[in-house]
Amino acid sequence: SQQGEEDPQALSIQEGENATMNCSYKTSINNLQWYRQNSGRGLVHLILIRSNEREKHSGRLRVTLDTSKKSSSLLITASRAADTASYFCATDKSGGYNKLIFGAGTRLAVHP
Amino acid sequence: GAGVSQSPSNKVTEKGKDVELRCDPISGHTALYWYRQSLGQGLEFLIYFQGNSAPDKSGLPSDRFSAERTGGSVSTLTIQRTQQEDSAVYLCASSGQGLGNQPQHFGDGTRLSIL
Repeated sequence: SQQGEEDPQALSIQEGENATMNCSYKTSINNLQWYRQNSGRGLVHLILIRSNEREKHSGRLRVTLDTSKKSSSLLITASRAADTASYFCATDKSGGYNKLIFGAGTRLAVHP
Repeated sequence: GAGVSQSPSNKVTEKGKDVELRCDPISGHTALYWYRQSLGQGLEFLIYFQGNSAPDKSGLPSDRFSAERTGGSVSTLTIQRTQQEDSAVYLCASSGQGLGNQPQHFGDGTRLSIL
């Protein structure tokens, strides 16, 4: 079973609106990363948050992490049509694992 | 180029044939990963190479799947006696030292279709 589960599975918004995507995971982690995937392309790393961090910003992106609830959220502010993509969270399990476990992703559609 | 390169970008083959997929990671990256992504789904981990260590093959779905990494650089994923359920996009990624606090850099994948 996958470590991360994104919610919602799909999200449709208008340009200028904010988009919030959530990720839940099952076991203790060292780090959590968010990736973006445009149709037909590979994944692109967006942001990494460590288990001892609660919030991180990068441009229009804001990521929060609540280790007590084993959940994270990705907020994209002032969305643009170019933000249309799938977004995945990935966790690095604590205990010596070096591989990331990906969720099923949220498909975001931003309409002009 | 500076990124992860995968070839071919598309592969169509008949059921029962063998296929080889190639990944050329970012120069200097010691960690290399293979994933499989079915249509509209997340990534399924297949195999992980880290330097000269024994690879983590725990994600390979059957003994028809194998992978090599020669000289710590280029990797080849081989699927023998392909089945229709093998149809998917196969993604390769590399990272600096394979640490969990490092981003993975992905190629654009090989879209494999088994007829």
